[in-house]
Amino acid sequence: GQQVMQIPQYQHVQEGEDFTTYCNSSTTLSNIQWYKQRPGGHPVFLIQLVKSGEVKKQKRLTFQFGEAKKNSSLHITATQTTDVGTYFCAGRSQAGTALIFGKGTTLSVSS
Amino acid sequence: DTAVSQTPKYLVTQMGNDKSIKCEQNLGHDTMYWYKQDSKKFLKIMFSYNNKELIINETVPNRFSPKSPDKAHLNLHINSLELGDSAVYFCASSHRTGVTGELFFGEGSRLTVL
Repeated sequence: GQQVMQIPQYQHVQEGEDFTTYCNSSTTLSNIQWYKQRPGGHPVFLIQLVKSGEVKKQKRLTFQFGEAKKNSSLHITATQTTDVGTYFCAGRSQAGTALIFGKGTTLSVSS
Repeated sequence: DTAVSQTPKYLVTQMGNDKSIKCEQNLGHDTMYWYKQDSKKFLKIMFSYNNKELIINETVPNRFSPKSPDKAHLNLHINSLELGDSAVYFCASSHRTGVTGELFFGEGSRLTVL
C-alpha cells in the first residue's frame, strides 16, 4: 500500500537556525498537505500543494512539491520558539483515497 | 463555537471494558474521519464517512465500530478494550472527499487502558 516516509524524526535547533523536514511517497501523489501539531495539541492544517514543482511560502515557511509529485519539503528560516511542534506531511495517491500521514518530524528549539 | 468537538477528552478504563467517543462538527462538512495517534505520534486513518456512508475502513479490528447518525456526527465504539488500544483518537472533518480538502481535527480523546 501507499507509504509516506518523513525524515528526520526529531530535530533540535538553536533559535535563529534553519530547519527542513523531508517527505517521500512510495507512489505519485495527487496532492500533499502539511500540518503542525503543537505539544499536547491537535494537527492544524498549514498548506496544500497540488502542482508538480510547486513552491509556496508562508512568512518564514517554504513548502515545495517535487517535479515527480513523490516528494515534498518544508523549510523554516530563522526558527523561533513558537515553531516548536511536530510537522506532518500527508498525501493522497488519488482522489477518494485516504489521506496518509508521514510519521512526523518533531522540532525543538532552544533560545 | 468549537468546529470539531470530541467527548470525552480523557478516558481511563480497564481491559475488557467497552467505551465510546463522540464527535460532532459544525462546519457543514460532509466527510468525517477517525484517526488514531500512538505514543510515537504516528497518525493512522481508521475510518472515513461521507454523508453517513462508510467509505474508508482500514485494517482495524472489528472491536471498533463507527456510527454516523447524520453527517455532522461520527461516533466510535470500542468493545473489549485491550492495552494496545491506548492512544489519542482524533476525529476530523473535511469539505469533500475525493477532492483535496483540508482536514479539521478535533482536540483528541486520550484513551488509557489499564
